[in-house]
Amino acid sequence: DSGVTQTPKHLITATGQRVTLRCSPRSGDLSVYWYQQSLDQGLQFLIQYYNGEERAKGNILERFSAQQFPDLHSELNLSSLELGDSALYFCASSVAVLAGPHEQYFGPGTRLTVT
Amino acid sequence: GQNIDQPTEMTATEGAIVQINCTYQTSGFNGLFWYQQHAGEAPTFLSYNVLDGLEEKGRFSSFLSRSKGYSYLLLKELQMKDSASYLCAVYYDSWGKLQFGAGTQVVVTP
Repeated sequence: DSGVTQTPKHLITATGQRVTLRCSPRSGDLSVYWYQQSLDQGLQFLIQYYNGEERAKGNILERFSAQQFPDLHSELNLSSLELGDSALYFCASSVAVLAGPHEQYFGPGTRLTVT
Repeated sequence: GQNIDQPTEMTATEGAIVQINCTYQTSGFNGLFWYQQHAGEAPTFLSYNVLDGLEEKGRFSSFLSRSKGYSYLLLKELQMKDSASYLCAVYYDSWGKLQFGAGTQVVVTP
């Protein structure tokens, strides 16, 4: 158990819908990262937040957005869902007090199925 | 993005040693991680290298050569539970943006 929690564990929804995935980082970690993992794409970095502010952006679609709240939990919002958005979505957290490499601890993931 | 290359699959026998190679583009390199991921589960941290040389952690060791853009993960005394995907991940900037390779699926046979 990494200490990072994600809800829900599974999500099944229809195309065109909007969903929200939630992540709570490990106690004391200020940085939260979101990743998407699909069978044909591997693990892709989406976005990072540090203490409420966006710090780095990866291959995140405009239909996707995220935020980190004052209590440090984070939400990833996916809208106008398409079949291709079906994937495992992981949240990770790290200390990241100072800039530089930090071990990231991954949550158990949310499996999203778009039908 | 920067290409990170690792073999797709490797098979080895229980008790044997397997070496998983990873090559990456050196420009902007800031550190390299190895993660283990069982199917459908979260990646778990194995090792971290930022300086050249070998880091040993029990049955797992990781090596880095920054000038060559090369790393390897060595798994010794293989056990059935080591059957998993091993992900090479490179840090390319100072704020945590990890670029992952596609992963190497290691199959351990009896």
